[in-house]
Amino acid sequence: AQTVTQSQPEMSVQEAETVTLSCTYDTSESDYYLFWYKQPPSRQMILVIRQEAYKQQNATENRFSVNFQKAAKSFSLKISDSQLGDAAMYFCARANAGGTSYGKLTFGQGTILTVHP
Amino acid sequence: DAGITQSPRHKVTETGTPVTLRCHQTENHRYMYWYRQDPGHGLRLIHYSYGVKDTDKGEVSDGYSVSRSKTEDFLLTLESATSSQTSVYFCAISDRSYEQYFGPGTRLTVT
Repeated sequence: AQTVTQSQPEMSVQEAETVTLSCTYDTSESDYYLFWYKQPPSRQMILVIRQEAYKQQNATENRFSVNFQKAAKSFSLKISDSQLGDAAMYFCARANAGGTSYGKLTFGQGTILTVHP
Repeated sequence: DAGITQSPRHKVTETGTPVTLRCHQTENHRYMYWYRQDPGHGLRLIHYSYGVKDTDKGEVSDGYSVSRSKTEDFLLTLESATSSQTSVYFCAISDRSYEQYFGPGTRLTVT
């Protein structure tokens, strides 16, 4: 099975500080997409950031950035200047591209992020 | 936000009864998905659709069936609900961008 692993069940950070959430994945494909989703207590799944495997440049969205290491199959999320509203469960996910995969997502187990004022 | 709704939002049912969850989209996206979310497992794919009347199984499809008779609706049916199907169910949609947009979820409790 092609898995996604988040080894940190829980993380905490002080407001305004930086935190990094880890994710590793397993795939035999060369072309795929990686995502980080945020799930606040409202339960809504919100896309935070996405990375195409063929792009070497790390994706960035405002305070959120990734460190994509393709050879190591690692995809970590860095949150800078953490805010109270960043508190949520964060999921890493992978989708194969092309063929009959139809973009099916495989999710990690999630990391609960707590932000302390 | 993507126009995607799920109904019902909450449901309590008894073991052995049939249950149908509905996902409705207004985005005209081709692909639709059903996931379940359980503690310690993240979200797992149940079934997906790549077009009207075109569906296939995901990794946890046992005990579930789906139908898609028109682009905007994707139905998930539990033919005979069991306690192991107590979960939160999410529908998602996507176009060719591979970004999936999720509905608000349905909390199902099977007693």
